Formats: sequence, C-alpha cells, structure tokens
Amino acid sequence: AQRVTQPEKLLSVFKGAPVELKCNYSYSGSPELFWYVQYSRQRLQLLLRHISRESIKGFTADLNKGETSFHLKKPFAQEEDSAMYYCALNNAGNMLTFGGGTRLMVKP
Amino acid sequence: DTGVSQDPRHKITKRGQNVTFRCDPISEHNRLYWYRQTLGQGPEFLTYFQNEAQLEKSRLLSDRFSAERPKGSFSTLEIQRTEQGDSAMYLCASNGLSRLSGANVLTFGAGSRLTVL
Repeated sequence: AQRVTQPEKLLSVFKGAPVELKCNYSYSGSPELFWYVQYSRQRLQLLLRHISRESIKGFTADLNKGETSFHLKKPFAQEEDSAMYYCALNNAGNMLTFGGGTRLMVKP
Repeated sequence: DTGVSQDPRHKITKRGQNVTFRCDPISEHNRLYWYRQTLGQGPEFLTYFQNEAQLEKSRLLSDRFSAERPKGSFSTLEIQRTEQGDSAMYLCASNGLSRLSGANVLTFGAGSRLTVL
C-alpha cells in the first residue's frame, strides 16, 4: 500500500540556517511526488513537484528512488518560510496520499 | 473566478444531525476532489468526480457520507447522522493546469470546518 511518512512534526531553525524537511514514501510503481505548503490562515497550495525539477522560493527536492525519499531543502531559511509542509504521493488520477505534515518554524 | 470556493467555512452541529457542504471548483476544471483533514494529520482522500461521474471513493467514506456533482460544476458532500468522529476540516480541490509549472495539479479550497458536539 502507498504511504508517505514525515518523521518530524516540528522543525525549528534560526533564520539563515539550512533546512531539510524529510519525506519517505512507499509505492510499488513509479512515484509522482509533491510538496504542498500551508501558510498561516491560508489554503493548501502546491510548492513544487519532482517531475518539474524546479526551485520555488529557494526550495528544492530531489527524488531518491533508492532511499524512497523526497526531502525538501533550502540552504538559508527565511522567517516567511514558517508554515506547515506536506509531502504527497500521486496514486493515480491525482488521488494524493499525504504525509502527516511538518511544521517549520524559522526564528529570527 | 477567484479559485475553489467552499461553503460554509464553519459548521457546528449536534451529534445525529445532517450537514451538507458545497464546493464550487475553478470553472474550467473537470475534476473535483474531496479530502478530510483531522487535527494534526495530513489530508485524506475521500472521493473524486470527473464531470458529473463519481469515479473513486475511499473506504473512509462510510454509507453516512454521500457526494454529488449533478451538473458537473459544483459539488455537495452530505454527512447524515453526524458523529463526533466526523469533526474535521473538509477540503475540496479541483484539477487543472498550474500557473507555476503548467502541470496538472490540484488547487485547494479553504475548507469547511465541521465540529460535532
């Protein structure tokens, strides 16, 4: 069965520090993975998807099929990055399986 | 069209009552999804429609839950005989091209929060 695991419920870093939000998945096929973000009092929105290999707001994520991971990274965290981050796996037809989420707090 | 709209934003009800939520997707999107999110958890898939056809239902969708999309536009999610365990945020999303990457991705609404007393 497909599953997405985000082992950290909370990650707290200082402004300017590097950030890595962990995501591990289990899926028998070729995975399509996403990171969604929810800022305070805003709706869930797409941050990036692995197929695009894009960098959004300085964040990148690399799919590692050997380790079944899709960790989200940013070299220098900003206070405005504070939010809930969800890793998600596309089962097919955009029926996403989400991880439990990681709250990122960037302290000044 | 300002995105996916959900109504009501908050609903407080007593156990045993019926509730209905409405979702208006982005007009050109033909796929519509319902998710449920409980406190401290990520969203969980409930069901989805392509136009008016309900193509998939999760095992989470008990027989007290029913979703419709009669004309392939807006959708309703009804919960009958609500239980305290139904308390959650009910999220609607529609599927279309992202302005970010041009890819086919989900756009979420703000959600309808249900509290069952």
